[in-house]
Formats: sequence, C-alpha cells, structure tokens
Amino acid sequence: QVHLVQSGAEVKKPGASVKLSCKASGYTFTNYYMHWVRQAPGQGLEWMGIINSTGGSTSYAQKFRGRVTLTRDTSTSTVYLHLTSLTSEDTAVYYCARWGVSADSRGHDLDYWGQGTLVAVSS
Amino acid sequence: QSVLTQPPSASGTPGQRVTISCSGSRSNIGGNYVYWYQQLPGTAPKLLIYTNNQRPSGVPDRFSGSKSGTSASLAISGLRSEDEADYHCAAWDDSLRGLVFGTGTKVTVL
Repeated sequence: QVHLVQSGAEVKKPGASVKLSCKASGYTFTNYYMHWVRQAPGQGLEWMGIINSTGGSTSYAQKFRGRVTLTRDTSTSTVYLHLTSLTSEDTAVYYCARWGVSADSRGHDLDYWGQGTLVAVSS
Repeated sequence: QSVLTQPPSASGTPGQRVTISCSGSRSNIGGNYVYWYQQLPGTAPKLLIYTNNQRPSGVPDRFSGSKSGTSASLAISGLRSEDEADYHCAAWDDSLRGLVFGTGTKVTVL
C-alpha cells in the first residue's frame, strides 16, 4: 500500500533554513508528481509547490519563490522541501501529498498524504 | 491568504443535512474541477470528493459534491458525530498556475 513518511518535527530560529523529507513507498515513485502543502496553526491549507518526480521540474507558489526549493532523489524515492529565511509566519505543519489521476481519469487529486511535519520558528 | 472562500463554520444535529459553500473565480472553479478534503482533528487531510461530485471508494454516500459556475458545494446528509472535522475545497488555478484551497470550514455536530 502507498505510504508517504515525513521527517520529524523541527524547531528553528528566525533567519534559519529547514529541509524536510518525504519518503514514498508502495508505488512507482517516478510515475507521480508530489505537492507540498502547509497549514499554519488554526488556519487553512496553503499550496507551496509541486515537483515532477521523474525529471525534477518544479513549480512554486509565487509567495514562496526565491525561498523554497523542491528536490527529489529517485534512488530513495524521497522528495525534499528546503525553505530559507524562516520567520514566525512559517510556523506550520508541512505536508507532502501525491498527485494522482482521479479514479474517473478526468482530473488529478491529492490521493495520499504524509503525516505532516511540524516546523516551529521561534527566537 | 486563501483564494477560495468558505464559511468558517457549520453545524447541525445528528441526522440533519449540512451544506458548505466554496466560492472562487473563472480561473479556478469556473474552469477546473473541484475537490474536497476532510481533515479529522490532528490528522492529515483525506480526499473526500474528486472531479466535482465523485466519491472515492469507501466514502459514504452521505457526502455529495456539486459545482455551478464559479461556486461549489459539499453536502453532508444524515450528519453523524464522526463527521466533525474541517473541510477544505480545492481547485487548480490557471492564472496562478497552482493549486488553490478554500479557507476551510469546521463542521460541528451538536
């Protein structure tokens, strides 16, 4: 069965950077794109970006361009999110989510999610 | 800052019907499919509705989705205590070239 297992919680100081991982299993890693979505405390979901697990091409939300980098390692079926210049507003739970073809083949949905990684930014 | 607008909360007693709206624009809901995700307390979101109105295997038929123009709705009929959760709508946005989510709606079973 499909599993996305994310790295553990991080505590960072303002100005620092963080690198999170998301290890996939149970499916052919290179057949699917992966998204990263975050959720600040008590807030809704916020899309950060997407990576093509095959070629490594990426697209980022404008809000994060210049501060976020998504990479992948096909040998370990792992995707990474690197976020720099952290501020308290980056305190959130970060999720990776697989982008699969919808069951009716008409669209794409986030069919599997990681368990989330809490990143706390505090001085 | 979410692009899609949802009411912050909705509630009902067991057995009632609750409806959640999701308002967007032509570049997202108006031209693309809508998806709904259910997030139980302390857990990751889970796909609830795909391509506007389809339920994944295992999702009870008490949940239904619809879309009209630049708005979408999620209805929960026969409300149950286990439906207490946050519900998020989502769609691809052609102008932003990315996914956009709703502000999220917390459903409370009274």
